[in-house]
Amino acid sequence: DGGITQSPKYLFRKEGQNVTLSCEQNLNHDAMYWYRQDPGQGLRLIYYSQIVNDFQKGDIAEGYSVSREKKESFPLTVTSAQKNPTAFYLCASSIDVWLAGGPRLQYFGAGTRLSVL
Amino acid sequence: AQKITQTQPGMFVQEKEAVTLDCTYDTSDQSYGLFWYKQPSSGEMIFLIYQGSYDEQNATEGRYSLNFQKARKSANLVISASQLGDSAMYFCAMREGTPGGGADGLTFGKGTHLIIQP
Repeated sequence: DGGITQSPKYLFRKEGQNVTLSCEQNLNHDAMYWYRQDPGQGLRLIYYSQIVNDFQKGDIAEGYSVSREKKESFPLTVTSAQKNPTAFYLCASSIDVWLAGGPRLQYFGAGTRLSVL
Repeated sequence: AQKITQTQPGMFVQEKEAVTLDCTYDTSDQSYGLFWYKQPSSGEMIFLIYQGSYDEQNATEGRYSLNFQKARKSANLVISASQLGDSAMYFCAMREGTPGGGADGLTFGKGTHLIIQP
């Protein structure tokens, strides 16, 4: 079945540690996204990538880094510079953004809950 | 200023009743898209319905319909004949910009927690 796989489901970070959240998709989508969700809040865009080897900052990129070496994969690293990393992280993908028209619907993974020890 | 405003933090509705979830948006773009997603307690985001800014007809998908009032910048979600399984968080979201260019992430509202009571 096609979809988006995020791992791990739960992750704990120690003070000063970098952690990496995995996101893999087999939908053959070109665009991928990372969102952060705090309790009782909507999603906020961290980073997005429209094509392999290219990515752009979203609204809250500070303290995070990404890479896009393969079309299927878009890992997110939460660095030690992110002082408040506890949140629910959601990865999404959508069809080629350069196609005209259509909703370019974003499909989401099941999320990773990150907590600080 | 918030780009997506959902004014109902929580709602209680009796099973089988219709429910309207409010969403207003703010954009200066002529081309944009509006989405509704459902988030059950498991956390996954489930797409419900989409309305493009140039669509003249209100979108419908099964029990879901979108009441799109462009001049008022509102895109309310209507769920007909609510079911217990409809209990979840509901988010309104917007994508701005013309197709093929510009940022492509979604801007989300803070959500409405809908609880269906038997």
